[in-house]
Amino acid sequence: GESVGLHLPTLSVQEGDNSIINCAYSNSASDYFIWYKQESGKGPQFIIDIRSNMDKRQGQRVTVLLNKTVKHLSLQIAATQPGDSAVYFCAEKMNYGGSQGNLIFGKGTKLSVKP
Amino acid sequence: DVKVTQSSRYLVKRTGEKVFLECVQDMDHENMFWYRQDPGLGLRLIYFSYDVKMKEKGDIPEGYSVSREKKERFSLILESASTNQTSMYLCASSFGSVGQPQHFGDGTRLSIL
Repeated sequence: GESVGLHLPTLSVQEGDNSIINCAYSNSASDYFIWYKQESGKGPQFIIDIRSNMDKRQGQRVTVLLNKTVKHLSLQIAATQPGDSAVYFCAEKMNYGGSQGNLIFGKGTKLSVKP
Repeated sequence: DVKVTQSSRYLVKRTGEKVFLECVQDMDHENMFWYRQDPGLGLRLIYFSYDVKMKEKGDIPEGYSVSREKKERFSLILESASTNQTSMYLCASSFGSVGQPQHFGDGTRLSIL
């Protein structure tokens, strides 16, 4: 909820600009990545995912880029709107036995959109 | 749309009480998860379940137990609530196949007095 955004890196953008949110993931064995959006008082909402055999995937106004060489994931939001204000965090799934669906979550970035 | 429903949005309990948090999903997902979310610590996995009557410990299972008697329902139990269990609790579910996202409920903010 409202306390989720405390102590997080913050990105402040002007309405209409593009936003880029970055995430460094931890394990080169990870094979699946997800971006979530969490608004105040709500649970995390799935935005977009990407598998490790891809380096780019596009959704509606969002693009995820994966750079496996440097273990970096980014979320690009086109024409950012006030409704995009939220905490965004990435999650990775490592590809080894016993972790069929378990994810490792990043701490998140707070996106603030100025009207 | 996937619907994950947590029974309470806010809950206040007293130290030593046994607390039940309920979660129901309507997408026939095999996997279900319980997390707690605290400022500065992010999401931490408490317990998860891959099938009915199956459970696995996550990263912080101490002080908690779970029950999965039906596929759609996953309960988190605080055996004897303590103040350090005051937190936001999030339930999630996903299909069992590889590369499927978890879908979350809106959370239960639990306060232990």
